[in-house]
Amino acid sequence: AQTVTQSQPEMSVQEAETVTLSCTYDTSESDYYLFWYKQPPSRQMILVIRQEAYKQQNATENRFSVNFQKAAKSFSLKISDSQLGDAAMYFCAWKTSGSRLTFGEGTQLTVNP
Amino acid sequence: EPEVTQTPSHQVTQMGQEVILRCVPISNHLYFYWYRQILGQKVEFLVSFYNNEISEKSEIFDDQFSVERPDGSNFTLKIRSTKLEDSAMYFCASSNSGGLQETQYFGPGTRLLVL
Repeated sequence: AQTVTQSQPEMSVQEAETVTLSCTYDTSESDYYLFWYKQPPSRQMILVIRQEAYKQQNATENRFSVNFQKAAKSFSLKISDSQLGDAAMYFCAWKTSGSRLTFGEGTQLTVNP
Repeated sequence: EPEVTQTPSHQVTQMGQEVILRCVPISNHLYFYWYRQILGQKVEFLVSFYNNEISEKSEIFDDQFSVERPDGSNFTLKIRSTKLEDSAMYFCASSNSGGLQETQYFGPGTRLLVL
């Protein structure tokens, strides 16, 4: 079975600092996509960044970047220059050729002013 | 920027009642999904829908659930006889491509409370 694990239930960071959220997954598939979604207090799910498994280059979106280690099945999210608006629950998710996204348990990020 | 919308934002119902949750996917999208999130738990896949039929469903999606695209814009999730454990946030999502390369865009969710 495919699983996604986020081992950090909570993280905190000072405004303007950098924080890294961890995610590991387990799969026997060779090609898949990985995603980070953000869920602010409004509980809407917002796509932050995505990474295709066969691309070695790590994805970046402005202040958000990933460290994708395929052999280790690790997909961490780095948030640089953290802002108060980054405070949210962050979910790592995995997808292969089927329909479903498989989500991790989530990491609650607090940004301290 | 186009977005997925969902109504109602909140719904309270009595156990045993039927509820219909509504979603308007992004207009040029063809693949539609429902997920749910029980409070404090991870988001779970329920069902995917394409070309007017279910393409994949999870073990959660049993006979009490059904989905429908009644017209060209709405996508609904019906829960026939609600149970206390159906209390959750229900998210609709849509994508334009399906398959491995798709990105699913989520709506704001409907918070369902079953009393």
